[in-house]
Amino acid sequence: AQTVTQSQPEMSVQEAETVTLSCTYDTSENNYYLFWYKQPPSRQMILVIRQEAYKQQNATENRFSVNFQKAAKSFSLKISDSQLGDTAMYFCAFTATNSGYALNFGKGTSLLVTP
Amino acid sequence: DAGVIQSPRHEVTEMGQEVTLRCKPISGHNSLFWYRQTMMRGLELLIYFNNNVPIDDSGMPEDRFSAKMPNASFSTLKIQPSEPRDSAVYFCASSPGQFYGYTFGSGTRLTVV
Repeated sequence: AQTVTQSQPEMSVQEAETVTLSCTYDTSENNYYLFWYKQPPSRQMILVIRQEAYKQQNATENRFSVNFQKAAKSFSLKISDSQLGDTAMYFCAFTATNSGYALNFGKGTSLLVTP
Repeated sequence: DAGVIQSPRHEVTEMGQEVTLRCKPISGHNSLFWYRQTMMRGLELLIYFNNNVPIDDSGMPEDRFSAKMPNASFSTLKIQPSEPRDSAVYFCASSPGQFYGYTFGSGTRLTVV
């Protein structure tokens, strides 16, 4: 079974600071995809960033970047210059090429950005 | 594109009643997924379709749940009879391919009293 673990249930960061959310996963697959989703209080699930396992270069999307460590099965999300609008639940998700389309989610990290 | 459209946004029903949740995926997306979100269990995949065909329904909790996708632009998730433990947010999502992840609808908050 493929599992996704987010070990930080809650985090807090001050506006303009940088924060890193942790995610680890367990799989025997070699080809897979990793994602971070954001769920603000509106409950809409929003794709933040994605990473292909066979690409060594870490993905970046504006203020969001990942640190992908394939050997360690780690996929952390860094948010730079945090903004109040970044306050949300953040979910790490995983899907494997040879395991169908099932997207497995972690339990989430609740991030609070304070003024 | 209007994104993935779900209806209703909120549903309150009495135990024992039939509930039907609706979803319109993004045009051109060939995969559709139904998820349930609760505080206790997080996001659970219920079922997914590829080209309108159910591929994996192992996440459907029991026979009271059923899902259909009669065409590429419409899917339903039905609960009959509903029970209080079915109270959750139900998401529909669609995808054009695995790499792209899923685009989620805004969800239906179901409350069974």
